[in-house]
Amino acid sequence: AQSVTQLGSHVSVSEGALVLLRCNYSSSVPPYLFWYVQYPNQGLQLLLKYTSAATLVKGINGFEAEFKKSETSFHLTKPSAHMSDAAEYFCAVSKGEAAGNKLTFGGGTRVLVKP
Amino acid sequence: DGGITQSPKYLFRKEGQNVTLSCEQNLNHDAMYWYRQDPGQGLRLIYYSQIVNDFQKGDIAEGYSVSREKKESFPLTVTSAQKNPTAFYLCASSIGTGREAFFGQGTRLTVV
Repeated sequence: AQSVTQLGSHVSVSEGALVLLRCNYSSSVPPYLFWYVQYPNQGLQLLLKYTSAATLVKGINGFEAEFKKSETSFHLTKPSAHMSDAAEYFCAVSKGEAAGNKLTFGGGTRVLVKP
Repeated sequence: DGGITQSPKYLFRKEGQNVTLSCEQNLNHDAMYWYRQDPGQGLRLIYYSQIVNDFQKGDIAEGYSVSREKKESFPLTVTSAQKNPTAFYLCASSIGTGREAFFGQGTRLTVV
């Protein structure tokens, strides 16, 4: 079964500093990969997705992620943190239609932004 | 505007009662999903449906039931057999392979 590991359940960054959230997946074939953001008591919003078109994926709100097959990683970055980036972030993987297009999620990383 | 609507936003249940959470989408998506979210555990898949009148168990289906009689609707029933139902429940839909899932705003269920 595929799995997703997010290193660090909590990350604290200063406003203006680099945001780096780590995600590693286990899969025998390149999967579809996603990053979502969740604000308190709300649903999940898509930040970006990797579907094999390009290894560096740009998303909304200045976030980007790089797919590295050799490292089975899909880390999320933002060059300069903003107070509005405080939220919980989830990495997710899908194996496509053969697996019902199901998303398997990592445990999430909560980001705190310090002024 | 297209989207996914979950209702109610907050739900309180007495022990031993069944409750049904509503999920409606107007995105014309074939696939729909129910996830449960607990603090520190991410999201876990309860049930999913790829087409009307068909659905499959996810990773934690025990104590839950679903139906998919219409493309737009995928209600989840939390039965009295679910021993720890207090959680945040999220419904999602997807158009297909490699495409992202769209999420509703969630229902927070509390057993009182």
